[in-house]
Amino acid sequence: GAGVSQTPSNKVTEKGKYVELRCDPISGHTALYWYRQSLGQGPEFLIYFQGTGAADDSGLPNDRFFAVRPEGSVSTLKIQRTERGDSAVYLCASSSTGWGSPLHFGNGTRLTVT
Amino acid sequence: GQQVMQIPQYQHVQEGEDFTTYCNSSTTLSNIQWYKQRPGGHPVFLIQLVKSGEVKKQKRLTFQFGEAKKNSSLHITATQTTDVGTYFCAGGSGGSYIPTFGRGTSLIVHP
Repeated sequence: GAGVSQTPSNKVTEKGKYVELRCDPISGHTALYWYRQSLGQGPEFLIYFQGTGAADDSGLPNDRFFAVRPEGSVSTLKIQRTERGDSAVYLCASSSTGWGSPLHFGNGTRLTVT
Repeated sequence: GQQVMQIPQYQHVQEGEDFTTYCNSSTTLSNIQWYKQRPGGHPVFLIQLVKSGEVKKQKRLTFQFGEAKKNSSLHITATQTTDVGTYFCAGGSGGSYIPTFGRGTSLIVHP
């Protein structure tokens, strides 16, 4: 079946602009995670959804970052007033239940802030 | 907060040699997962360990979870060029099961 889909695959934006990154998880997966990965590093946790609610947003670096999952399926990560330090690959993952079930990652969105 | 350390950062081997990567957590883990990321790709789930002292095998790969549930290892026997990639451990703790990833070990296999 279809895997996790992320769009766009690449996004170049100017410092100070607003961006939205979209994630379409595997159908039926209740848990959805956002991570970001910088070169040579492991994925860094940002936020975790269980259904429509953000069960844990402790990884969001500051209030410029926000994510939603209004219908318990597609999620959007929103970044306001982008900074060059936000440049990274943003990975979305879904899992069937979230309680220790394996994460299925999308191909990521490479965000470059110039 | 929870930290997961992984060593070594890089490992060069000749094809046919063995490879081991080690993962250590600052806190007791509920579970540990292992992922493989090929160059230019995304992490792909390999296995999960839950029980203290657990050992699981997948063909040439052997995964171990420490008795104290604070460390884990992945051992590959007789590496092949298809094993090239970065191997990540990811530990969950505190009942949330949100995986915290290590920095990864990049395996380079020379033919």
